[in-house]
Parts: sequence; structure tokens; C-alpha cells
Amino acid sequence: QVQLQESGPGLVKPSETLSLTCTVSGGSVSPHYWTWIRRPPGKGLEWIGYIYFTGSTNYNPSLKSRVTISIDTSKNHFSLTLNSVTAADTAMYYCARGGGTPDYWGQGTPVTVSS
Amino acid sequence: DIQMTQSPSSLSASVGDSVTVTCQARQGINNYLNWYQHKPGKAPKLLIYGASNLKTGVPSRFSGSGSGTDFTLTISTLQPEDIATYYCQQYHNLPYTFGQGTKLEIK
Repeated sequence: QVQLQESGPGLVKPSETLSLTCTVSGGSVSPHYWTWIRRPPGKGLEWIGYIYFTGSTNYNPSLKSRVTISIDTSKNHFSLTLNSVTAADTAMYYCARGGGTPDYWGQGTPVTVSS
Repeated sequence: DIQMTQSPSSLSASVGDSVTVTCQARQGINNYLNWYQHKPGKAPKLLIYGASNLKTGVPSRFSGSGSGTDFTLTISTLQPEDIATYYCQQYHNLPYTFGQGTKLEIK
């Protein structure tokens, strides 16, 4: 069964860059879409964007100027980079397989933006 | 963005009850609607895709219906392990959007 595991720093300073990696096991990143989603405390889920295994991407316009999703097929993982973070970026971050219908998700990793 | 509105935001029911959660899209989304179950500390789980298709392995007490703007998730015979927050999600238009969630508790 496909399993996803998010990893990265749990604390990021304001104005700095948030970087997370999602490692996929039990399956290949090819030929799938891969998605990042987040849930700020006390709020609902927010779709961040997705990447196809070929490298093509689609981002939420609300984050588009600050977000990059990349994929490394040789390492079977994909990554999220979010620039110029503020406290509003504090959230639980999830990675998932699939584009419109993410069918396997990671357990999530908490990220706090604070000095 | 397509706003998705779920109701109720929280729900308390007894084991064995039938439970219904509704999700309304601000504009028509055909049947491009998924339902997820999320238990604290665990990975969210896809239950239903395409409004009414049960994902393989999901208990048959879960069902989904609807098309256009109005959708429902029904749990026919509530079990203790169904305690979770349930989310709807549209994938008709980018950016994909979620409902705010329905927290289900057992009485």
C-alpha cells in the first residue's frame, strides 16, 4: 500500500522559507499527480497545489507568487517550498497522491511560523 | 473560487443511528465531489469520489449522493469508529476547495 511521509522543520521564522518533503513508499511517483494541502489551526483544509510526475504544476492563486512544488523521480519524493512566510502560514501540512481526488494522504506535519 | 458549505458543523449521534452531512457548492460542480474522513493524528481518508462512488475497502454503511450544487454523505448505521471530522471537496474548478468540516461525535 502506498504510504506518504512529510518531513521538514517544524518552526520557521517570519519572512523566511518553508521547505517540506514528502517521501513516497510502497509505490512510484510515476505516473501520478501529487498534492500539497494545509489546515491552519481552527480552520478548514486549503489546497496548495499539485505536480504531475512530469513536473507540470498548478497552484492556488492565493499562494502562487510564493509557492513552488517540485518532484524528484529518482528519489521518489516531491517537495513544497513557500517563500516569505508569515504567521498565517502556520498550519498542519499534508501531502497526498492524486490531483482532483487525492486518495492517499500523509499524516501531516505541523509548521509554526514564529520568531 | 467555488465556496463549499457543509452543515452541520458538528453533530452528536448514537451508535446505530443514521447520520447525514450535507455539502452545498456555490455553483454547479456536476458530480466532481469527494468526501474525506479525518481522525486526529491520522492521515485523512478518501471515502467517496465522484459524489457517489465508494472507494474500495470503505464500509458499505457510507454512501454519497447528489449532483450540481447539493450533496449528502450518509452513514447508515453509526459505529464508534466513525468518530471523526468529515470534509467535502470539489474538483470541478481550480483551485480545488473544501468544506469547513463536520465534526461527528458519539452521544
